[in-house]
Amino acid sequence: RKEVEQDPGPFNVPEGATVAFNCTYSNSASQSFFWYRQDCRKEPKLLMSVYSSGNEDGRFTAQLNRASQYISLLIRDSKLSDSATYLCVVNDLVSGSARQLTFGSGTQLTVLP
Amino acid sequence: EAQVTQNPRYLITVTGKKLTVTCSQNMNHEYMSWYRQDPGLGLRQIYYSMNVEVTDKGDVPEGYKVSRKEKRNFPLILESPSPNQTSLYFCASSLSWGSRNEQYFGPGTRLTVT
Repeated sequence: RKEVEQDPGPFNVPEGATVAFNCTYSNSASQSFFWYRQDCRKEPKLLMSVYSSGNEDGRFTAQLNRASQYISLLIRDSKLSDSATYLCVVNDLVSGSARQLTFGSGTQLTVLP
Repeated sequence: EAQVTQNPRYLITVTGKKLTVTCSQNMNHEYMSWYRQDPGLGLRQIYYSMNVEVTDKGDVPEGYKVSRKEKRNFPLILESPSPNQTSLYFCASSLSWGSRNEQYFGPGTRLTVT
């Protein structure tokens, strides 16, 4: 079973739509959570961290539900430039002070004109 | 400009021919790591380094070696590449290994082993 699971999509939505992605993680002791964005054939880049209380950055809202072990990303008023793959990332304490980032396979979003 | 660089960006090689992919960062980051990305599997960590001369295995270390002799460089070595190592490789660095530190990725190296 994958440790971090995402719906791979693809999600094809019209410009201006609201779209939500979910991600589930298996390790209840996971400590921190992120969403990264990856454009086609490019490197991943941090989109936003996910805080326990939920956080918002412009059109993007991230939520964490520790009880159900899932993370969500909501994109409002989607733009053509939002087309990308969105990676859910979980930071686990492996042993001692060693930590490991575990990446989901990504959810592909295409915003259509 | 703060960045992580990798070389080469594209490489086609044959089975068994040793190769090295270089990674360098100019941000004085302590933590560096290597990932491979394959369709449907996401990014998987190969090796990581928490500081100079400190390296450890990630999830998929078999067939790879690394070294961290200087803070800025973290080369990935394939002693005897095989076709199942055909993949897209990313080097990444972060300030330290705190739980909230952002990972900065290099542009990627697309490796094909025939």
